[in-house]
Amino acid sequence: AQTVTQSQPEMSVQEAETVTLSCTYDTSENNYYLFWYKQPPSRQMILVIRQEAYKQQNATENRFSVNFQKAAKSFSLKISDSQLGDTAMYFCAFMFDTGTASKLTFGTGTRLQVTL
Amino acid sequence: GAVVSQHPSWVICKSGTSVKIECRSLDFQATTMFWYRQFPKQSLMLMATSNEGSKATYEQGVEKDKFLINHASLTLSTLTVTSAHPEDSSFYICSSGTSGVVGNEQYFGPGTRLTVT
Repeated sequence: AQTVTQSQPEMSVQEAETVTLSCTYDTSENNYYLFWYKQPPSRQMILVIRQEAYKQQNATENRFSVNFQKAAKSFSLKISDSQLGDTAMYFCAFMFDTGTASKLTFGTGTRLQVTL
Repeated sequence: GAVVSQHPSWVICKSGTSVKIECRSLDFQATTMFWYRQFPKQSLMLMATSNEGSKATYEQGVEKDKFLINHASLTLSTLTVTSAHPEDSSFYICSSGTSGVVGNEQYFGPGTRLTVT
């Protein structure tokens, strides 16, 4: 079974600073996707960024970027120029690439607090 | 992006009664729907996967007779918690997926808070 580990239960960052959230995973498969989801106080799950395992290039979405190290099975999220609205729970998630919708395996989450 | 709705957003029921939660994909056909459960300050745990017109596949440890899932159409899946007990109180989230979506992205509903008294 796949496991996803987030070793930082809570993190804090000042507004406009940069923060990196860690995620490691374990799988014997070669084709998969990795995701970072944000869950604000409203509890609506919001996709932050997606990485295809077959792509060597790290995914970026505006202020969000990942450092994907496939051999090390590491998938960290960097948030640049942090904003108050980034305050949320962040979940790392793994999905097999089956060519269709597949279940997500989530990490335990990191609670990020952005302060003034 | 695609929109998934859930109804109700919050429900309170008495112990021993049943409650139904609806999950709808509003602007796309969801061939697959997933039901997750989230306890306070914890992660999402997959309960079951359902494909339209087929029986749901439950994760290990999830009682299929207690959590009834129906996926009768491409836009609607329901989760019925039967004979609810206080320990069933939780936040239930559905997500929908469809074939051919880039990256197999899933679209999440806003969740349903269930409180069993």
